[in-house]
Amino acid sequence: ETGVTQTPRHLVMGMTNKKSLKCEQHLGHNAMYWYKQSAKKPLELMFVYSLEERVENNSVPSRFSPECPNSSHLFLHLHTLQPEDSALYLCASSQVVSASNQPQHFGDGTRLSIL
Amino acid sequence: SQQGEEDPQALSIQEGENATMNCSYKTSINNLQWYRQNSGRGLVHLILIRSNEREKHSGRLRVTLDTSKKSSSLLITASRAADTASYFCATGRIQGAQKLVFGQGTRLTINP
Repeated sequence: ETGVTQTPRHLVMGMTNKKSLKCEQHLGHNAMYWYKQSAKKPLELMFVYSLEERVENNSVPSRFSPECPNSSHLFLHLHTLQPEDSALYLCASSQVVSASNQPQHFGDGTRLSIL
Repeated sequence: SQQGEEDPQALSIQEGENATMNCSYKTSINNLQWYRQNSGRGLVHLILIRSNEREKHSGRLRVTLDTSKKSSSLLITASRAADTASYFCATGRIQGAQKLVFGQGTRLTINP
């Protein structure tokens, strides 16, 4: 148990669907992250939140829309996705965001398949 | 880019042997971290080494850092079947914070 819970674990959706990924951390951390993990590619940072405020957006297409209602919850809203968006989406948290010398705690991810 | 690159991409050894994985990066760093990922799971933080440290131990893990060569190695001694996983290095910037840059990982298989 890492203290970071992601739901659902698996999601299959059509390109016209709208769905949301959820992440919840029970560690009292102030920073939360979304990553995309595709086969044979390095982990890609998508979004960073610090105390519910987005501090980094790595040129992610607008069909991915993050939401952070409080420091414990993070969502990734999906709409009109493309087949190349099929991947494992990982959520992570760390104590603070102001320094990269913090270990990050990851959830087990949502395996997303776009039909 | 300061992306870490692990070497080898895949490694298969017998249980009980030592496993060594290497990571190279391109720019100055604040720290370097190693993570493990079991199949179908998220990443688990193993060890963090700061740029002013040369070696660090944690149980059967030994990490070295050579900032002059911009490289790090992770040694797992007396390997076990449960060590089968992918291992990633991640580098943290000196400035601009927030961001860890991950490599593509080494897939380690321990054969019983």
